[in-house]
Amino acid sequence: GPKVLQIPSHQIIDMGQMVTLNCDPVSNHLYFYWYKQILGQQMEFLVNFYNGKVMEKSKLFKDQFSVERPDGSYFTLKIQPTALEDSAVYFCASSLWSQNTLYFGAGTRLSVL
Amino acid sequence: QQKVQQSPESLIVPEGGMASLNCTFSDRNSQYFWWYRQHSGEGPKALMSIFSNGDKKEGRFTAHLNKASLHVSLHIKDSQPSDSALYFCAVSGGSNAKLTFGKGTKLSVKS
Repeated sequence: GPKVLQIPSHQIIDMGQMVTLNCDPVSNHLYFYWYKQILGQQMEFLVNFYNGKVMEKSKLFKDQFSVERPDGSYFTLKIQPTALEDSAVYFCASSLWSQNTLYFGAGTRLSVL
Repeated sequence: QQKVQQSPESLIVPEGGMASLNCTFSDRNSQYFWWYRQHSGEGPKALMSIFSNGDKKEGRFTAHLNKASLHVSLHIKDSQPSDSALYFCAVSGGSNAKLTFGKGTKLSVKS
């Protein structure tokens, strides 16, 4: 089936540093998403992105977070500066249209020390 | 704000048995419902979707939707050890376009 690739699979950084999580979505998909999962539990929506713009974001999408997809390359989530509570697994997803099935990557485990 | 609640939190069924997972949602205008399955160390994968009231069967899996009672369920017939995973109910539409997930049901199938 369609594949979403996430790089890296695991990132360890010191609190206060910047981190960029990379996502290569399914090639013809138009909508992109980031979700956060802590301890293998609930998937919490962070943001969705379409046509170069943020469509919706949750309260978890703090001012330190930003997303972009420059020139159709990776869809990225940047956190600057990081905080201890940002430690989690971050999943990228893409869909062809809004309200379509989301295809998720395998996640990036972020550990903030 | 949409609230999606799943029960039970965890479920153990014998191999070959029936697993029944439940989900309730709060927004009466919700339109689209999915079940996702997540194996350990992987991202969630869509198992099936249901958009109309009633039953939808795909192989061993049957989803049931009752919008009036704000309830959707998933039944897995002839459960296999490979079905052991975390199952999420996810809902969108209505006042929120985003996909909102429940907290998940951890299913263990014992051989």
